[in-house]
Amino acid sequence: AQKVTQAQTEISVVEKEDVTLDCVYETRDTTYYLFWYKQPPSGELVFLIRRNSFDEQNEISGRYSWNFQKSTSSFNFTITASQVVDSAVYFCALSMYSGGSNYKLTFGKGTLLTVNP
Amino acid sequence: ETGVTQSPTHLIKTRGQQVTLRCSSQSGHNTVSWYQQALGQGPQFIFQYYREEENGRGNFPPRFSGLQFPNYSSELNVNALELDDSALYLCASSYGDGYTFGSGTRLTVV
Repeated sequence: AQKVTQAQTEISVVEKEDVTLDCVYETRDTTYYLFWYKQPPSGELVFLIRRNSFDEQNEISGRYSWNFQKSTSSFNFTITASQVVDSAVYFCALSMYSGGSNYKLTFGKGTLLTVNP
Repeated sequence: ETGVTQSPTHLIKTRGQQVTLRCSSQSGHNTVSWYQQALGQGPQFIFQYYREEENGRGNFPPRFSGLQFPNYSSELNVNALELDDSALYLCASSYGDGYTFGSGTRLTVV
């Protein structure tokens, strides 16, 4: 079975602080994708980043960066110099092959990030 | 390119009734997936449609059913509504492993 755990339920920071969101996953698949999504109060899931299981290179994209470690099954996400507009619920998700030609997503329970001015 | 549009945005139904939710997929996307997100939880996979056929299903009872049309838009139907069906229903269109989500339909069952 596949599982995604986000141990942090809520995080509150002050603007300009760096914040790291933790994600631990379980899967028996050798080929999979990991995602981070942002969900503002409007409800839409906004795609942030994706990583495949064969690429552990960690990168930085603007204020976002991620740390993918297969040895610990972790896929942590960092926002540098947080802003009030970053306030949202953040979901980590695991994509597995579900038959046919496409994949389904398994989500964690989310982390509510509040950035205070 | 157009995004994913869901309708209606909000809906209130009575227990036992039936409901139909609609989703238009993003241009070029041939697969539609539906997710249920209860309050304070992550989205749960309901099912996926690829080329008008169901292509994978999560742990949801048969009263949750769907359709996909030739233009790749989709419907989610829920019969015999229960109070626990109250949730945000999200539709995602995809091509391969790239997903685009709609803003969802907030269903309240009273």
